[in-house]
Amino acid sequence: EVQLVESGGGLVQPGGSLRLSCAASGFTFSSYWMSWVRQAPGKGLEWVANIKQDGSEKYYVDSVKGRFTISRDNAKNSLYLQMNSLRAEDTAVYYCARVVRFSSGRADYGMDVWGQGTTVTVSS
Amino acid sequence: EIVLTQSPGTLSLSPGERATLSCRASQSVGSNYLAWYQQKPGQAPRLLIYGASSRATGIPDRFSGSASGTDFDLIISRLEPEDFAVYYCQQYAGSPWTFGQGTKVEIK
Repeated sequence: EVQLVESGGGLVQPGGSLRLSCAASGFTFSSYWMSWVRQAPGKGLEWVANIKQDGSEKYYVDSVKGRFTISRDNAKNSLYLQMNSLRAEDTAVYYCARVVRFSSGRADYGMDVWGQGTTVTVSS
Repeated sequence: EIVLTQSPGTLSLSPGERATLSCRASQSVGSNYLAWYQQKPGQAPRLLIYGASSRATGIPDRFSGSASGTDFDLIISRLEPEDFAVYYCQQYAGSPWTFGQGTKVEIK
């Protein structure tokens, strides 16, 4: 079964750090771009970061640049999000998602497999 | 950054009715590089549509997507009870990827 399982969420004080993990199974992890997407309480979805199959390319939303780092360990089938200098506005459920490129001759992508999410609360 | 604006915010319909959800982009999203997701309470999102009009694997054919310039529609031809949820459009034409704010389809 294709599956993503996040862990590492919790309560952290403003300015603190947290490292999220996402364990992948049931597919060839090293063949896919991966993403982190978050959702603040009662709000919509916000894309956070992407990482290429070999980790050589990484992209971030402006609000987390310089504070968050996406990484992966293909030998461990794992995706990570290191979050530093956390702010109250980072409070959210964080999802990891597999990015599939559709073989349509175009550059079509979609996040086709999602984890159940892990909750990060930044509060004093 | 490409801003996606979805309308309406909430759509109140009955099972069996047709739903039309709209998403407008603030600028070109390339060759219709737009996807639609469905999210139910307490669940992760599910990919419905990519490339503005191609259904993802396992998505029923009552879901369809269309595009006209920077305007995109998601159409649910006949609402089933399990279709009442929040729907998001998302563009992947350029970084940062962005989502619309969502349209809630609720039972009337």
